[in-house]
Formats: sequence, structure tokens, C-alpha cells
Amino acid sequence: GAGVSQSPSNKVTEKGKDVELRCDPISGHTALYWYRQRLGQGLEFLIYFQGNSAPDKSGLPSDRFSAERTGESVSTLTIQRTQQEDSAVYLCASSSWGVTDTQYFGPGTRLTVL
Amino acid sequence: GIQVEQSPPDLILQEGANSTLRCNFSDSVNNLQWFHQNPWGQLINLFYIPSGTKQNGRLSATTVATERYSLLYISSSQTTDSGVYFCAFNAGGTSYGKLTFGQGTILTVHP
Repeated sequence: GAGVSQSPSNKVTEKGKDVELRCDPISGHTALYWYRQRLGQGLEFLIYFQGNSAPDKSGLPSDRFSAERTGESVSTLTIQRTQQEDSAVYLCASSSWGVTDTQYFGPGTRLTVL
Repeated sequence: GIQVEQSPPDLILQEGANSTLRCNFSDSVNNLQWFHQNPWGQLINLFYIPSGTKQNGRLSATTVATERYSLLYISSSQTTDSGVYFCAFNAGGTSYGKLTFGQGTILTVHP
């Protein structure tokens, strides 16, 4: 595709519910990244995929967070039993080659947990 | 841990002025990128610059890897340059794949 796309663009949910966020990387990009941006803050790394494997999950804040990637394309970030502190913008990025390459970001999903 | 520090945190300019934004990083550099986050939240790539100097129109960037800093220059600023500028850095090794972001510089350009 022309760029990284994410869906939904906005998600409002109630505390305790599960949510799934989707990322479609640029076609042909082998690496995919998830970041979180809290209001007024910089981005925090969550997890990255090289192909379908996740060599680095160190940024996932708790076991309520998980992510998967299938077919070296779409990735889904799942947050179980959402808490109010999970409210943030979740951004996905992809890069064409290994991790030394430029990362291109999607527009993000704004998650609000009531 | 790996740290990225940006300065200044806030910058207010009149249209037409020049500015320099600085990014200090704590380790040897594998990947360094500058981004502009527009008012709608979209992160726009400005430069991939682990070393050396690059220019793109009114913007240019220089990274001195041996001294662990990078500079972003904005010349003849325009109101559309307003937003948040982020520096992000990857040191390789155990942090391979992870960009660590600074807290950003909030730039406001007045007409």
C-alpha cells in the first residue's frame, strides 16, 4: 500500500473490556513496530516483529498486552481487561529491511478507556 | 538505559526566523531519525541520519556520532512548521529494532 494504515482511528471502551488494534504495514516491509504515545509525551516502544517472529517484546507493559503478526503483513495488538492508564495513541510503524532502516509510521489509533 | 535528550523543550519563533534543535543520545548510534508530528498527530519522517549531514529544502540535519549528538536546522520558518519535533535513536545490540524517542521540542511559529 501507499503507507502504513491503522484501524480503528478511534476506539472508546469501558474499563475491563478487551480491544484489538490493527496495523497494515507498507507492502513488502519485513519489520513492524508498535509504540504507545501518552498525551503530551514521546513515544514508548512496545514490541517489534521481524517477519512473523517477535525478537523484542520488552516494551509490553504487562501480560494484558499481546501482539501477533501473520503472513508477514497485518499485525494485531490486543489489550485485555483494559484499564484507564491504557488510554493513549497506539502507533504502528514498518521498515523495508532490517532494523537499521527508516521506520514509517501510521496515523495511530486513539484509545480511550472510560 | 539508553537515553535521548532534546533541547529546547519549547521554542517560539516569528515567521522567517531560523532555529536549531538539538538531540543528545547516550550510546553509539545504529539508527537516528528526526520526525515532525503535525497537529493531527501524524509522524512525518524528516531525516534518517545516523551520521553526516543531509538537507531537504529549508531543513537540514547533522549527526556527529562520535560526540553523540544530532542537530536539526530549520531556516526561514513558516507557520506550517509548527508542531512537535522528535529525535529517535537506536543503539543496536540488545535494543536492536527499538527506537527510543526524546520528549520532543514543541515549535510554535507565529505569522
